[in-house]
Amino acid sequence: SQTIHQWPATLVQPVGSPLSLECTVEGTSNPNLYWYRQAAGRGLQLLFYSVGIGQISSEVPQNLSASRPQDRQFILSSKKLLLSDSGFYLCAWTNLGGTEAFFGQGTRLTVV
Amino acid sequence: DAKTTQPTSMDCAEGRAANLPCNHSTISGNEYVYWYRQIHSQGPQYIIHGLKNNETNEMASLIITEDRKSSTLILPHATLRDTAVYYCIAPIVYNFGNEKLTFGTGTRLTIIP
Repeated sequence: SQTIHQWPATLVQPVGSPLSLECTVEGTSNPNLYWYRQAAGRGLQLLFYSVGIGQISSEVPQNLSASRPQDRQFILSSKKLLLSDSGFYLCAWTNLGGTEAFFGQGTRLTVV
Repeated sequence: DAKTTQPTSMDCAEGRAANLPCNHSTISGNEYVYWYRQIHSQGPQYIIHGLKNNETNEMASLIITEDRKSSTLILPHATLRDTAVYYCIAPIVYNFGNEKLTFGTGTRLTIIP
């Protein structure tokens, strides 16, 4: 069965520190991968999506970047966190022609 | 994805049917209607989807108007655990993996004891 792992579940980081959030998918190949952010009381904002290794599309200009070093691995990074980067980050995957999107359990990031 | 519009919030009494509307007036013939919900601090959970026929599963029913410009998600007997944010989206399923899969702000449903 397909599963998606996202970690860590919670993270508290100081302003100016780097960030690395990892998402991996099991049980499928060549998934399409997504990173979303949800600010407190807000909807899901699409940050990045990837249709293959090394292929990253960015939706909004920001302090974050994404990479896909392997087929089923998606990493969200920042060199220097800002207070405004605080939020709930979700990884998701779909398959071409599939009928569902599957979400990880999210990482709650607090920048202090 | 077709643009979808939902009310910001709704209340429903426990045990009653919760009816959540969604407008998708620009939907095209190959775009499905999907519903997800997000309970606080968790990832979104799939509920149901449909193209043009009404659908029902163990969680909910989906009623799509004949012109497909709007739909209603029905939770037949709402419980306190149904309190969540409900998202209606309209992606192109056959091309599901190659599009952006965007979500709006959803409807915050509160079940009142």
